[in-house]
Amino acid sequence: AQTVTQSQPEMSVQEAETVTLSCTYDTSESDYYLFWYKQPPSRQMILVIRQEAYKQQNATENRFSVNFQKAAKSFSLKISDSQLGDAAMYFCAYGPGGGADGLTFGKGTHLIIQP
Amino acid sequence: DAMVIQNPRYQVTQFGKPVTLSCSQTLNHNVMYWYQQKSSQAPKLLFHYYDKDFNNEADTPDNFQSRRPNTSFCFLDIRSPGLGDAAMYLCATSRPPRQGGNEQFFGPGTRLTVL
Repeated sequence: AQTVTQSQPEMSVQEAETVTLSCTYDTSESDYYLFWYKQPPSRQMILVIRQEAYKQQNATENRFSVNFQKAAKSFSLKISDSQLGDAAMYFCAYGPGGGADGLTFGKGTHLIIQP
Repeated sequence: DAMVIQNPRYQVTQFGKPVTLSCSQTLNHNVMYWYQQKSSQAPKLLFHYYDKDFNNEADTPDNFQSRRPNTSFCFLDIRSPGLGDAAMYLCATSRPPRQGGNEQFFGPGTRLTVL
């Protein structure tokens, strides 16, 4: 079975600064996807960024980028130029490559943005 | 806009009284998922449908059932809710594996309270 671990229950960052959220995972599969989802208070979960395991290049989406270390099974999220709207729970998730099975989520990191 | 809709957003039921949660989607996705998210915890997959094929997670209690009468709708039935079933229930959809990067699209959730 796959597991996803987020070791930071809460992180705080000053507006406009950079913050990195950590995630490690465990799997015996070679074909999989990794995701970061954002869940604002009382709002639905939305995808922040996605990484395909077979791609060596780290994914980027505007201010969001990942550091994917496949051998170390590490998948951290870097948020640059933090904005107040970035405040949310961030979940790291693992998804299988070839199947329609659901995602395995970490416990989440609560990100606080200090104005 | 194409989306995943969950009704109701808040549901209160009594201990042991059957309850049904609804999910609909306008994305025309093949796969629909139900997750349970308890307070301050990671979402946990209960089951999913790939078209009409039902896939139950091994540790999903028998108390939880699901129906998918057509592509657009999926229901979660809790036959005899217990206090431990109080949670946010998230519905999600995705395209078939390997299409769309295996991204899952989430609804806003239904918060279930059991009295």
